Amino acid sequence: RKEVEQDPGPFNVPEGATVAFNCTYSNSASQSFFWYRQDCRKEPKLLMSVYSSGNEDGRFTAQLNRASQYISLLIRDSKLSDSATYLCAVSRDNYGQNFVFGPGTRLSVLP
Amino acid sequence: DAGITQSPRHKVTETGTPVTLRCHQTENHRYMYWYRQDPGHGLRLIHYSYGVKDTDKGEVSDGYSVSRSKTEDFLLTLESATSSQTSVYFCAISELFRTSGSNTDTQYFGPGTRLTVL
Repeated sequence: RKEVEQDPGPFNVPEGATVAFNCTYSNSASQSFFWYRQDCRKEPKLLMSVYSSGNEDGRFTAQLNRASQYISLLIRDSKLSDSATYLCAVSRDNYGQNFVFGPGTRLSVLP
Repeated sequence: DAGITQSPRHKVTETGTPVTLRCHQTENHRYMYWYRQDPGHGLRLIHYSYGVKDTDKGEVSDGYSVSRSKTEDFLLTLESATSSQTSVYFCAISELFRTSGSNTDTQYFGPGTRLTVL
């Protein structure tokens, strides 16, 4: 089993739709969790951290389920500009310095 | 945006030649990383550094070496490039901080270097 897994997609959704991505991880010692966004031929950019209590940033909501070892990202009211690949990142250890990245889920928001 | 630059941004080289990629940061962050990104594999850690002259191997370190003589620079060297090292290479930086007793950290990425080994 890979350390971090994501549904590769692509997810093709119409503008205004709500879409959710999951990311599962195998290392129960992981302490830090993040979602990154990567546009085509660009570097990954931090979208949001994922906190134990869940957190929201505008249209984006991130949640952590430690018992089932997954994190999720919910995007509400999708915009064309949300089209990108979404990567989850999970720390390998208790110190949070080494990350494992998922392969990414591609999202296409269609007009 | 975090102050991270990579050079060169694009490079084409031949099998067997040495190649050095440079990552430069202006954030004075302690940690620096080199990743490669390939279709079907995602981002994989090659080497990382936790301070000047302090480096360690990542999951795909074979064929690569690194050096960090200054806080701001982290060099990745392919001693003898092979076609399997054709990839996009990203540098990242981070700084450790503690929140409520736990360690957290965010990595910021440079723009990447596209390397083609013929």
